[in-house]
Amino acid sequence: DTGVSQDPRHKITKRGQNVTFRCDPISEHNRLYWYRQTLGQGPEFLTYFQNEAQLEKSRLLSDRFSAERPKGSFSTLEIQRTEQGDSAMYLCASSFGTSGYNEQFFGPGTRLTVL
Amino acid sequence: QQPVQSPQAVILREGEDAVINCSSSKALYSVHWYRQKHGEAPVFLMILLKGGEQKGHEKISASFNEKKQQSSLYLTASQLSYSGTYFCGTGPYSGGGADGLTFGKGTHLIIQP
Repeated sequence: DTGVSQDPRHKITKRGQNVTFRCDPISEHNRLYWYRQTLGQGPEFLTYFQNEAQLEKSRLLSDRFSAERPKGSFSTLEIQRTEQGDSAMYLCASSFGTSGYNEQFFGPGTRLTVL
Repeated sequence: QQPVQSPQAVILREGEDAVINCSSSKALYSVHWYRQKHGEAPVFLMILLKGGEQKGHEKISASFNEKKQQSSLYLTASQLSYSGTYFCGTGPYSGGGADGLTFGKGTHLIIQP
């Protein structure tokens, strides 16, 4: 068990560019969550997958955000036409089970800075 | 709706006790507690479920008052390693509601030697 990993750890981009982040969950975990965290705030839920199916997206999630989890393993989060307001820490978490009532293991995050 | 945590910050001497509260305007079915140290990922502490079930670390204690829609995390005989920001997350909600957690803004805990 090597834990949840995320790549890259840091990303600096210019406004208007597209960025893609990757998350590798703990191998036997079937649920994968994406959160966004800004300074002084708790993690904000973005979306989650159960296996390869994306079961929920936050109502606050812009259409510029898209996530995939092909084959139910790793996941990618893409942000198109980045804006300065997208600057944040993007956290991935995984859990095992078919409900949200289980411990989520968080990865170290990808810090995005949009210039 | 985001749960409300109190206090926003607390400073303790090593060995002292602390209580962190989390309240919601929505009916609670579960409360999840995490601790995050600066520059690190949140780490799971405990889940409290409607009906009384709890999952978590033995050294952590918490309560869940369904009627008051509140949860409290109890940190006794605090150690330096307890320092960090504590977040409560609420959800999922029954009846087809969201499975993603909604976190509060956090309570900053500083333990001094």
